[in-house]
Amino acid sequence: AQTVTQSQPEMSVQEAETVTLSCTYDTSESDYYLFWYKQPPSRQMILVIRQEAYKQQNATENRFSVNFQKAAKSFSLKISDSQLGDAAMYFCAYRWSGGGADGLTFGKGTHLIIQP
Amino acid sequence: KAGVTQTPRYLIKTRGQQVTLSCSPISGHRSVSWYQQTPGQGLQFLFEYFSETQRNKGNFPGRFSGRQFSNSRSEMNVSTLELGDSALYLCASSLGTGQYLSYEQYFGPGTRLTVT
Repeated sequence: AQTVTQSQPEMSVQEAETVTLSCTYDTSESDYYLFWYKQPPSRQMILVIRQEAYKQQNATENRFSVNFQKAAKSFSLKISDSQLGDAAMYFCAYRWSGGGADGLTFGKGTHLIIQP
Repeated sequence: KAGVTQTPRYLIKTRGQQVTLSCSPISGHRSVSWYQQTPGQGLQFLFEYFSETQRNKGNFPGRFSGRQFSNSRSEMNVSTLELGDSALYLCASSLGTGQYLSYEQYFGPGTRLTVT
């Protein structure tokens, strides 16, 4: 079964600085999708960015970008110019692209604190 | 487009009772997934429905069940509630058509269930 590991339970960064959240995963599949979700105190899960495993190019969404290393099974999230509104729990998630996929597999999350 | 809606937002039940939670997906989305979020276990996949059929199921006891209606709205039911069922129950919708974009899941605000 696939697993997702986020080794940083909590990270703290100064406003306007850059922070990188780590995620590693384990799978025997070659075709899958990876996601970063943000969960602020409201508990609403918000999709931040996605990456298709077959794409070599790293995904970017405004201030958010990923470093996808397929061979190393690593999928880190970089947040540039951190803003107070970025404070939240961040979850890395995996989903196999096959028809029998068991939904999203999530990591335990990283609590991101933004220092003003 | 309106987002995913879940009702009720908060619920308090007694051990042994049963509960039904409702989820309305984004218009045009045919797949609905349910997740349980607890501090100890994190986010865990319950089941996924597509076109009124359960497509996948997570590792939960038979007390957890669900269904999907022809308009893609979904309900999940938990019978014989236990204290450990206290959690945030999240519903997510996606296109579910098999194209890669269909794997993007958009979450509702959740239902907070407390079992006493």
